[in-house]
Amino acid sequence: EVQLVESGGVLVQPGGSLRLSCGASGFTFSSHWMSWVRQAPGKGLEWVANINQDGSRKHYVDSVEGRFTISRDNAENSLFLQMNSLRLEDRAMYYCARIDGYGSTFDYWGLGTPVTVSS
Amino acid sequence: DIQMTQSPSSLAASVGDRVTINCRASQAINNHVAWFQQKPGKAPWSLIYAASTLRSGVPSKFSGSGSGTDFTLTINSLQPEDFATYFCQQYNSYPFTFGQGTKLEIK
Repeated sequence: EVQLVESGGVLVQPGGSLRLSCGASGFTFSSHWMSWVRQAPGKGLEWVANINQDGSRKHYVDSVEGRFTISRDNAENSLFLQMNSLRLEDRAMYYCARIDGYGSTFDYWGLGTPVTVSS
Repeated sequence: DIQMTQSPSSLAASVGDRVTINCRASQAINNHVAWFQQKPGKAPWSLIYAASTLRSGVPSKFSGSGSGTDFTLTINSLQPEDFATYFCQQYNSYPFTFGQGTKLEIK
């Protein structure tokens, strides 16, 4: 059974940093692109970043480019999101999502970890 | 960026009804559209990819169609568990973008 479990979401002040983690199990982690998707309270879904199987290719939404870094550790079956220079508008539930084996889009999602940015 | 516009933004229907949700892309995206269901306080559930291909485990009451810029999600014989918010998403090009969501409520 595919499982994605996010952690690391906390309350942080504007300008602060945070590292989110996503532990994966139930599939061959190193064979899949992985993603982070976020959802602000009461709002829709926003794709944040993608990373390919070996971590050599990464894509970001413009609003986080230069502030967030997606990475992975295939030996530990883990995905990460380093978030720097956090802004109020980064407050959201952050979901880890797997890209399917066809390289198309998200097929499995974690339960999410909440990030609150507030002074 | 490709804008995904869903309609309607909310929809009231009864158990047993058939409903259709529309999604229009701001430019042609082949069939690179997915649909997701989300219930309050829960993670999204992947329903459809490639515009019309059901994910494993998704009931056949859900169906998708369309290509180019116009796409549709149809849900037959609504049951109480189907009342949720539905999102479309394009993955034809970066940045991946979602529609704003359609909230399906019980009439």
